[in-house]
Amino acid sequence: DIQMTQSPSSLSAYVGDRVTITCRASQGISNYLAWFQQKPGKAPKSLIYGASSLQSGVPSKFSGSGSGTDFTLTIDSLQPEDFATYYCQQYKSYPLTFGGGTKVEIK
Amino acid sequence: EVQLVESGGGLVQPGGSLRLSCAASGFTFSDHYMDWVRQAPGKGLEWIGRTRNKANTYTTEYAASVKGRFTLSRDDSKNSLHLQMNSLKTEDTAVYYCARGGFHGGHYYAGDYWGQGTLVTVSS
Repeated sequence: DIQMTQSPSSLSAYVGDRVTITCRASQGISNYLAWFQQKPGKAPKSLIYGASSLQSGVPSKFSGSGSGTDFTLTIDSLQPEDFATYYCQQYKSYPLTFGGGTKVEIK
Repeated sequence: EVQLVESGGGLVQPGGSLRLSCAASGFTFSDHYMDWVRQAPGKGLEWIGRTRNKANTYTTEYAASVKGRFTLSRDDSKNSLHLQMNSLKTEDTAVYYCARGGFHGGHYYAGDYWGQGTLVTVSS
C-alpha cells in the first residue's frame, strides 16, 4: 500500500495568512493526488485533483503543486470559513489512501 | 445538482450485519464509478471500496480491512449504491460516506461529490 504522510498534523494561523500543507507519498504517484477539506460534522469537499487542478466552484485562493512523491496545498489569505481539516488522497493504485489530515485552526 | 443521500446506519451488535444504501440523483449514475469511504469517531478518512461503472462491468475493489466481509453492489435502474456489511466488528464503527468517483487521466479519485454520511455503531 502507498502511505501518505501529511505535515504538519495541525497548525494555527491568523486570518489573512498564507498557509502551506505538505503531503508525501511513500512511492511515486505521478500527479494522482487529490485534496479535500472537511469541516466538523460535515462531509469532505473536493478541492483539487491531479495535484493542481481546481475542482469546479472552488475559489482560486486554493492551489496545489507537486509530482512524484512530494505535494503541497497552499491557501492564500486565510478566511474564517477556511478553518477546517485538510486531507490528501492518492489514487495511483489500490487501495486508495488518505493522509492523516492537517487541522487548520485560528490563532 | 448532484446529490448523494446515504441511509441504513444504526446500532448493531458485533458479528451482526447491516446494509447501507446511497441514493444518487442529478447525474447519469451508470456512467460513474462509486466509492465508500468511512471515518471512525475523531479519526481520519479511510477508503473501503469501489464499484466501477457499467462500461467496466461493475467490477469492485476493496480495502484489506473489509475484504471478505463487505460487499459493494449497485442498481443502475434505481440510481442506488449499496454496502452489505457482515461479520461487523467494533472497529467498523464509523460514519460511512458514499462518494462519486472523479475522473482524471485514466484514474479515479474518491470523490468529486460526497453524501452527508450515515453513522454505523457496532457495540454490544
